[in-house]
Amino acid sequence: QKEVEQDPGPLSVPEGAIVSLNCTYSNSAFQYFMWYRQYSRKGPELLMYTYSSGNKEDGRFTAQVDKSSKYISLFIRDSQPSDSATYLCAMIENSSASKIIFGSGTRLSIRP
Amino acid sequence: GAVVSQHPSRVICKSGTSVKIECRSLDFQATTMFWYRQFPKKSLMLMATSNEGSKATYEQGVEKDKFLINHASLTLSTLTVTSAHPEDSSFYICSAPGWSETQYFGPGTRLLVL
Repeated sequence: QKEVEQDPGPLSVPEGAIVSLNCTYSNSAFQYFMWYRQYSRKGPELLMYTYSSGNKEDGRFTAQVDKSSKYISLFIRDSQPSDSATYLCAMIENSSASKIIFGSGTRLSIRP
Repeated sequence: GAVVSQHPSRVICKSGTSVKIECRSLDFQATTMFWYRQFPKKSLMLMATSNEGSKATYEQGVEKDKFLINHASLTLSTLTVTSAHPEDSSFYICSAPGWSETQYFGPGTRLLVL
């Protein structure tokens, strides 16, 4: 079993739709959770960062972490064609010596 | 935000040659940098951690003699793929630690070995 599972997609939705992206994980020691957005042939860029369980909202983006279920989500409201990218979840334990574990990424396409 | 650059962005080489990829932190110093490899439609796989002034730490299964890492200064780390073969063709991305547990990623280097 992989430490982090993420549906690779592709996921295609019409412009304006609400998008839900998810990851599950097996390591209960993970405490920091991140979502990175990666455009084609570019490096990932940090989108959302959450510590422990709870919700965090930033504009059209909301990140949720449910540590009891080992499940994290990213919601995108009013999706735009410019949101079309690959979204990678990432997580790390509570030590700076730990390495970040990435999900495989979900390819998202927003249809105009 | 902090910027990490990579050079070249794309390289094509013949099998058996060596290729050097540079990773620079442009407006901050990084005593540690990370090198990742990403295959199409796959996740980022950490290859090694580059440490300024000391040897790199390689992940299990990564050949240190094939992927030479040099952290020459607080703003530059290089990855040299020695005696490249077609199976080394991939997207190589470097990163530097950001605030808290985040990382700033470079734009990546696409390597194609013929």
